[in-house]
Amino acid sequence: AQSVSQHNHHVILSEAASLELGCNYSYGGTVNLFWYVQYPGQHLQLLLKYFSGDPLVKGIKGFEAEFIKSKFSFNLRKPSVQWSDTAEYFCAVNAAGGGNKLTFGTGTQLKVEL
Amino acid sequence: DTGVSQDPRHKITKRGQNVTFRCDPISEHNRLYWYRQTLGQGPEFLTYFQNEAQLEKSRLLSDRFSAERPKGSFSTLEIQRTEQGDSAMYLCAQPHEQPYNEQFFGPGTRLTVL
Repeated sequence: AQSVSQHNHHVILSEAASLELGCNYSYGGTVNLFWYVQYPGQHLQLLLKYFSGDPLVKGIKGFEAEFIKSKFSFNLRKPSVQWSDTAEYFCAVNAAGGGNKLTFGTGTQLKVEL
Repeated sequence: DTGVSQDPRHKITKRGQNVTFRCDPISEHNRLYWYRQTLGQGPEFLTYFQNEAQLEKSRLLSDRFSAERPKGSFSTLEIQRTEQGDSAMYLCAQPHEQPYNEQFFGPGTRLTVL
């Protein structure tokens, strides 16, 4: 069974600071990788995804993530955060042939201060 | 707006009561997933359907839980004899298209068991 680890549970940044949130997964086979975001009072939204091809994927709102297969990692980055990026961020994977059910990490609560 | 709707959005019940939640998907898409999210955790897979057929159930889904998807459209999740540990957000998700890799979530039903 696959598992996902997010090492940063709470992150506080000032506006314009750079962001990197770590995500590592455990699974020996082919996986699809996702970052979801949950803004305060809103439901989970897909931020970006990786299925295959270029390991650097770009998502909405200036976010990007890099899949490093050798490290089983899929870290989320943004060069300059905004106050509106305050939210909870979840990394998720699903395994090929596993019914496509998602396995999520525990989430990282990001707070961006003005 | 993903188009996945859930009802009710909030449910408060007393321990021992039965509750039922409903998920209305975007369209008559053949897959539908249920997840549960407790405080401080990422969503955890409960079960999924392909059309009317329930293809997989998590070990989290005890005998008190039952899910149905009659006619392959909306789905219901029932919890019998609720316990305080059932308090959580119950999420419904649906992929948009083949190969069903990315899922889009509804707003969830927040259950509080007193």
